[in-house]
Amino acid sequence: DTGVSQDPRHKITKRGQNVTFRCDPISEHNRLYWYRQTLGQGPEFLTYFQNEAQLEKSRLLSDRFSAERPKGSFSTLEIQRTEQGDSAMYLCASSLEVSGTGLINEQFFGPGTRLTVL
Amino acid sequence: GEDVEQSLFLSVREGDSSVINCTYTDSSSTYLYWYKQEPGAGLQLLTYIFSNMDMKQDQRLTVLLNKKDKHLSLRIADTQTGDSAIYFCAESIVIKDMRFGAGTRLTVKP
Repeated sequence: DTGVSQDPRHKITKRGQNVTFRCDPISEHNRLYWYRQTLGQGPEFLTYFQNEAQLEKSRLLSDRFSAERPKGSFSTLEIQRTEQGDSAMYLCASSLEVSGTGLINEQFFGPGTRLTVL
Repeated sequence: GEDVEQSLFLSVREGDSSVINCTYTDSSSTYLYWYKQEPGAGLQLLTYIFSNMDMKQDQRLTVLLNKKDKHLSLRIADTQTGDSAIYFCAESIVIKDMRFGAGTRLTVKP
């Protein structure tokens, strides 16, 4: 399987606990994105990486959220002291940025990690 | 308010055409996209259009863009039951930061 994979697919946790999600992008892709999708809504941008550098963070990404991509390959998204409002689907996407071509860099999405905070 | 708006539901009969509409607010939008999401699967890019284009056709899909009215539509010809899914409209000024609508759930009845 050469697509974007995410682990776990489902996570149920109690309020106040920490959770960590993993995303494995398509291997040659240099960009990696995190989105959050709540029920009945479209995805909302959280952050993205170019290789290992985190280039942008949405204001949705509070201090309790941290994302890393240490070697420019897989990425982790950690949520500390989870709240019920964090319950959502967390989507990861990757793309290949080719500068100067003017071509769209299609983002390929993973299946998501569904987080439920009780 | 939302940057991208879509109607939430659309129901059509198999073989008919489906038209899903979307409006956006940012006149600086450079790229406009249509994504499809099936249950348990990730979002799949169906098609996209640059803001300097009026129309794009790709097999059964036709995208129309009215930049003046900030209106985007997706027409699916000869709709099949396999087209049943949620369709998201999205826009971006630069590719890295996309804003999505809430999605239109398309139901195709046999």
